[in-house]
Amino acid sequence: AQSVTQLGSHVSVSEGALVLLRCNYSSSVPPYLFWYVQYPNQGLQLLLKYTTGATLVKGINGFEAEFKKSETSFHLTKPSAHMSDAAEYFCSQAAGNKLTFGGGTRVLVKP
Amino acid sequence: DVKVTQSSRYLVKRTGEKVFLECVQDMDHENMFWYRQDPGLGLRLIYFSYDVKMKEKGDIPEGYSVSREKKERFSLILESASTNQTSMYLCASGISKLYSYEQYFGPGTRLTVT
Repeated sequence: AQSVTQLGSHVSVSEGALVLLRCNYSSSVPPYLFWYVQYPNQGLQLLLKYTTGATLVKGINGFEAEFKKSETSFHLTKPSAHMSDAAEYFCSQAAGNKLTFGGGTRVLVKP
Repeated sequence: DVKVTQSSRYLVKRTGEKVFLECVQDMDHENMFWYRQDPGLGLRLIYFSYDVKMKEKGDIPEGYSVSREKKERFSLILESASTNQTSMYLCASGISKLYSYEQYFGPGTRLTVT
């Protein structure tokens, strides 16, 4: 069975600082990987995805993620946090029609 | 834009009641999904459907059933609600084709069972 692990259920960053959210997935061929964001009182919105090709994936709102097969990782980064980045972030892995989600990381941005 | 709507944002029900959660999507997607979201557990798949009148159990189907009579509509049914079913319920729709397994989510229904 697929499993996705997000390290850290809560992350606090200062406005303008680097945002780094960690995700490790269970090995599979091929790994289709996603990051979703959930703003308060809303559903999930796709940030970015890796399916094939370039291992550095750029998404919306200045986020990017790097697929590292040797480490089974798909960490999400943003160089400079903005107050509007406060949300919960979910890493997920596809297997067939289904997605398996990590436990989520809530990001707090301090002014 | 894909739109997935859910019938209620907030719902309060009593233990033992039958509860219906409705989901409608407007993009003619084959696949539809019901998840529950709990703090620290992320999203867990309850049921999904890949065609009208077809359904598959997800990871936590116990205590739930589903119905898909039309392609655009997928209903989640709690036959006899219990307090441990208090949760956020998210519906999603998607297509599945090579290199694309994206899902589009509704805003969620926060269900409280008292």
